[in-house]
Amino acid sequence: QVQLVESGGGVVQPGRSLRLSCAASGFIFSSFGMHWVRQAPGKGLEWVTAIWHDGTYNHYAESVKGRFTISRDNSKNTVYLQMNSLRAEDAAVYYCAREGMTRAFDYWGQGTLVTVSS
Amino acid sequence: EIVLTQSPATLSLSPGERATLSCRASQSVSSYLAWYQQKPGQAPRLLIYDASNRATGIPDRFSGSGSGTDFTLTISSLEPEDFAVYYCQQRGNWPWTFGQGTKVEVK
Repeated sequence: QVQLVESGGGVVQPGRSLRLSCAASGFIFSSFGMHWVRQAPGKGLEWVTAIWHDGTYNHYAESVKGRFTISRDNSKNTVYLQMNSLRAEDAAVYYCAREGMTRAFDYWGQGTLVTVSS
Repeated sequence: EIVLTQSPATLSLSPGERATLSCRASQSVSSYLAWYQQKPGQAPRLLIYDASNRATGIPDRFSGSGSGTDFTLTISSLEPEDFAVYYCQQRGNWPWTFGQGTKVEVK
């Protein structure tokens, strides 16, 4: 069955960096686009970034452009989110999600919590 | 950026009642709109894609309609497990965006 497992969250000081990982299994990873979506505590969902199935293209929300970088390693079935210059407003649960054949998010991970605090 | 506005923010209903949730886009997204359900402590779940297509395993009491800028999610008869927060999401233009959510609560 399809599984997405995020890791790498934790507490980080403002201005520092963190890298999240999302390990995928149960499907042909290299055939699907992957996204990161975040949710601040008690708030709604915010789309963050996407990467094409082969890693050739990506898109970012304005709020993270220039600070966050999405990448993937299809040999390891893993997508990454490098987060630099973290701000208090980046604190959230970060979900990775698969963009299915319907081009909607058909599978989600359980999320990893990022706390930005001094 | 396309802004999705969901209404109402909260819907208070009883089991068995019909729920009608609205999502309005700031510009046309064609039919490229999805709906998700989220329960506390859980990841979202895909309900509807491309405005009116039920995702795999979704009961037929859930239905979606609309195109362009105005969309509706209807739950024909609320079951106890349907009380949750619902989000719309568009893929008509980058960046993809979500609405702010509608909470369906027990009256």
